[in-house]
Amino acid sequence: DVKVTQSSRYLVKRTGEKVFLECVQDMDHENMFWYRQDPGLGLRLIYFSYDVKMKEKGDIPEGYSVSREKKERFSLILESASTNQTSMYLCASSSELQGEQFFGPGTRLTVL
Amino acid sequence: AQRVTQPEKLLSVFKGAPVELKCNYSYSGSPELFWYVQYSRQRLQLLLRHISRESIKGFTADLNKGETSFHLKKPFAQEEDSAMYYCALRRSSYKLIFGSGTRLLVRP
Repeated sequence: DVKVTQSSRYLVKRTGEKVFLECVQDMDHENMFWYRQDPGLGLRLIYFSYDVKMKEKGDIPEGYSVSREKKERFSLILESASTNQTSMYLCASSSELQGEQFFGPGTRLTVL
Repeated sequence: AQRVTQPEKLLSVFKGAPVELKCNYSYSGSPELFWYVQYSRQRLQLLLRHISRESIKGFTADLNKGETSFHLKKPFAQEEDSAMYYCALRRSSYKLIFGSGTRLLVRP
């Protein structure tokens, strides 16, 4: 069974803290993605990576950075968390050939 | 601009009633469209894609290029169909653009 895992289901942080969200996939997929999921806004792409050490900005990259040092792992970093970054964060992966993206369970981040 | 529009935030129907979740898109090329579903406390997962032309859990969706639509339909809704549904458009070899989602509530 294909699997995308995320390091935390729930996370509470304070304004100004540095936050790391980790995602691991075991499908040997080339592509990995980070999305925000907010009510009424759907899924918005923050960053994606199409290969190790390769990354591209998505639609809402401000306030975020990413790291992909190994093929199976893609990290989302909030350099200085703010309250407007309170959201559900979803990680996904896909192969080069297939359009289908496989999603992790999500991390609900609350920034106080 | 590439865009996916789901006009209904919430769709409420009774069990056994027909369901149609609307999706409209704007895309200049040849579109590839998907429906994803998220059941309560579960991860987002692919429901169906237009190129496979299959029926999953009784749901079908037909791509209408003239109306730029990809509506999701089911003739008889079941309570277990209650979920959040997202329409998505493949905009490059690996990126998807998602609509804002429609919550389907099937009442007993």
